[in-house]
Amino acid sequence: SQKIEQNSEALNIQEGKTATLTCNYTNYSPAYLQWYRQDPGRGPVFLLLIRENEKEKRKERLKVTFDTTLKQSLFHITASQPADSATYLCALDKGRGGFKTIFGAGTRLFVKA
Amino acid sequence: GAVVSQHPSWVICKSGTSVKIECRSLDFQATTMFWYRQFPKQSLMLMATSNEGSKATYEQGVEKDKFLINHASLTLSTLTVTSAHPEDSSFYICSAPTGGVNTEAFFGQGTRLTVV
Repeated sequence: SQKIEQNSEALNIQEGKTATLTCNYTNYSPAYLQWYRQDPGRGPVFLLLIRENEKEKRKERLKVTFDTTLKQSLFHITASQPADSATYLCALDKGRGGFKTIFGAGTRLFVKA
Repeated sequence: GAVVSQHPSWVICKSGTSVKIECRSLDFQATTMFWYRQFPKQSLMLMATSNEGSKATYEQGVEKDKFLINHASLTLSTLTVTSAHPEDSSFYICSAPTGGVNTEAFFGQGTRLTVV
C-alpha cells in the first residue's frame, strides 16, 4: 500500500541547533516533494519544493534533500529559533507531476529557548 | 504571494443541517482546487478535486452526495456538508495550485466545523 511516513513523535531541540525531520514514502514515484509548515488551527504554508532530479534545495535556513533511491527526504532547519516551533508536513504528488498533493501526518517540532 | 481565502473560519451547526464553506483565490485564477479534511493530530486527507465548469472528482471512500462541491467560477469553489452529523466535525481546508504542474499550492486558513 502507499504510505508517507513522518516521525510521529515530537522533536525537541535547543535553540541554535539544527533540526532534522525525515519523510519516507513507499509505493509512490513522485515527480516532486514539498515541505509545508502548519501552525495549530491554521492551513499549511508552503516552504520548499524539490524535484525528483534535484538532490538538494536551500532557502535561507532551510535545506531539503531528496533521495529517490531511498525514497526519503530530509528537512533541515539550521540555527533553529523558538519561532520555528510548528508541525512540518511532507507532501508529494499523487500522480506523476499532477496537482494532487498527498500529505504525511507531520512532525511536531519544539524549539526551546 | 498568492492568497487563498476560506470562509467561515469556524462554524457550529446542529445535527441534520447543511453547512457551506467557501474557498476563493484572491489574486489568481484556479481551474482546480482541492478540499482536504484534517482530524486532530492527523494528516490532511484529500477529499476531492474541484474542477471549474465540471463535476468534482472524489477520492475513494468520500460520499459525493454528502460533500457537495461546486466550482462555478475561476476564483470560487464551495463545499457543502449536507445533513451534517457529529462525526463530520473536523477541520476542512481548501487549496489551489497557482500554475502549471509541479508548482506549490496555496492553502486557505481552514474551517473548523463542529456539529452538535
